[in-house]
Amino acid sequence: DSGVTQTPKHLITATGQRVTLRCSPRSGDLSVYWYQQSLDQGLQFLIQYYNGEERAKGNILERFSAQQFPDLHSELNLSSLELGDSALYFCASSPPGSKTYEQYFGPGTRLTVT
Amino acid sequence: AQTVTQSQPEMSVQEAETVTLSCTYDTSENNYYLFWYKQPPSRQMILVIRQEAYKQQNATENRFSVNFQKAAKSFSLKISDSQLGDTAMYFCAFKSGFSDMRFGAGTRLTVKP
Repeated sequence: DSGVTQTPKHLITATGQRVTLRCSPRSGDLSVYWYQQSLDQGLQFLIQYYNGEERAKGNILERFSAQQFPDLHSELNLSSLELGDSALYFCASSPPGSKTYEQYFGPGTRLTVT
Repeated sequence: AQTVTQSQPEMSVQEAETVTLSCTYDTSENNYYLFWYKQPPSRQMILVIRQEAYKQQNATENRFSVNFQKAAKSFSLKISDSQLGDTAMYFCAFKSGFSDMRFGAGTRLTVKP
């Protein structure tokens, strides 16, 4: 158990809908990262937040947005869902001031768009 | 841009034997970290081992060790005394202060009894 929690574990929804994925980082970690993993592929970085501020952006679609709240939990919002958005979405966190860059991953949310 | 390449989509090994997974990367930076993550059928991403580019000594964690060749930009993972629980996808990853975490496409390892 990495200490990073994600809810829900599974989500099934229809095309065109909107969903929110939630992540709580490890205690003391200020950075939260979101990744997308399509079937049997590597992880694609979406976005990073640090202590409530957006720090870095990857290949995140305009239909997707995220935020990090004062209690440091983060939410990833996916809207106008398409079949191709079906994937495993991971959240990761890292310690403040970490010089080793390791990230600790949550168990993921499996999103299925039908 | 930093890229990470894992050229072995699938590998298999007999229980108790040794296996080496390959990874190469491309970067113009001098200071960075390399990681191996394991993703078992549960899909959890588990950090296996990390290596700092400035350290010449290869990292070791129990049965897992790396062969880091900075000039060749190569970072292979050796698993000794393979166990059934080592069956998983293994991802090589690169991270520097100037880049997000870049992952390779993964190698699916099967340990056979």
